[in-house]
Formats: sequence, C-alpha cells, structure tokens
Amino acid sequence: GQNIDQPTEMTATEGAIVQINCTYQTSGFNGLFWYQQHAGEAPTFLSYNVLDGLEEKGRFSSFLSRSKGYSYLLLKELQMKDSASYLCASMDSNYQLIWGAGTKLIIKP
Amino acid sequence: IAGITQAPTSQILAAGRRMTLRCTQDMRHNAMYWYRQDLGLGLRLIHYSNTAGTTGKGEVPDGYSVSRANTDDFPLTLASAVPSQTSVYFCASSEGGTNTGELFFGEGSRLTVL
Repeated sequence: GQNIDQPTEMTATEGAIVQINCTYQTSGFNGLFWYQQHAGEAPTFLSYNVLDGLEEKGRFSSFLSRSKGYSYLLLKELQMKDSASYLCASMDSNYQLIWGAGTKLIIKP
Repeated sequence: IAGITQAPTSQILAAGRRMTLRCTQDMRHNAMYWYRQDLGLGLRLIHYSNTAGTTGKGEVPDGYSVSRANTDDFPLTLASAVPSQTSVYFCASSEGGTNTGELFFGEGSRLTVL
C-alpha cells in the first residue's frame, strides 16, 4: 500500500534549527513535495525534490534519498511565523499526490 | 489577484440536503482537484480533472460528484449530505501534465453536516 509517515508534532526554539522527517512508500515515484499550512489557512508549496540530495531555498532546505524512501525539511533561524503544519507528499506513478498527515511545528520564544 | 476562489467559506447543513461547493480559478490551469482535510489525516483526494471536459475519481469519491464544463470552474456537489462529510474542503489547481505537484489551493470551505 501507499504510506507517508511524519511526526505528529515538534517543538523548537526561536532562532534554532529544526529537521522534520518524512518516510514514504508509494507505487512508483515522481517526486517529493513539502507544503506549509498555517492554522485555518490553505497549504502553500515549499519545495520539490526528485533527485537525491539537498535543495536549498533561503532558510528552508529539503533533502531526498530515493533509495531509503526518506526526505527531510530543514528550517534554519526559526521565526515565530514558522509555527505551522508541514505536509509531506509523494507523487506516485500516476502523478497523484499521496499526503502525510502533517507535522505541527510549535516555535517557542 | 490571480488565484483560486472557493465559496462558501463556511456552511452548516442539515443531513440529507444537497450542497454545491464552488471553485473558480483564473490561472488557466489545466488540472483541478478537490480534497478534504480531516484532523489527524492527510489531505484526501475526492475527485480531479486533468482538463476541461474530463473528470476522475480520487481516493474518497463516494457521495460526491463534480463537473468541469470549462477551464475555470470545478464545482463539487454533495447530493445528500451525511455527518461524515463534515470536513474542510480544499479546491486546488496545477498546470497539469507531469507538472502536477505544485498545487495552488483555495482558502477552503468548512462544511458541517448535522
């Protein structure tokens, strides 16, 4: 079956670094996506990885290991506005997204 | 401002009633999607449309129907609402083809069925 696993909740301190992990099992693979969703709002696209390695975009980076079915989202210099849920999604062989339940990130001062 | 507009933003509905959630996009995207989001679960695809005139079933299509008469509009209809359809519904669009992963979402429609 298809499955995406990510932690339910994480807590970090303002100014610190946090890594949110995601493991996936999908029928075929056409990329791994990360989205950010603030409470009561719509998800917004953060990153896309299809090749192994690290993609850096400002304070946010995303890593992929296809052989391990593993990705992580790295957030640096955390700000209070980074408090949100982070959704991991894998694209299967039919180009459909399979979504994880999301990781709620709580930032403390 | 370009984007996706959903209506209504919130609705309380009696069980057994018919309800249509509206979704309009002005980005000329080929693909459109309806998801529901429930606490503790990932986004679940209800129905999708790869291009105007075509629709397909997602993971949880039962009790829902869609139409795609043109590029811009993709309404979702609940023929006879049941309490298990209480959820937040998101409409989304993407360029389509193999570039379907970067989705643009509407602000959501919170539906409560009593």
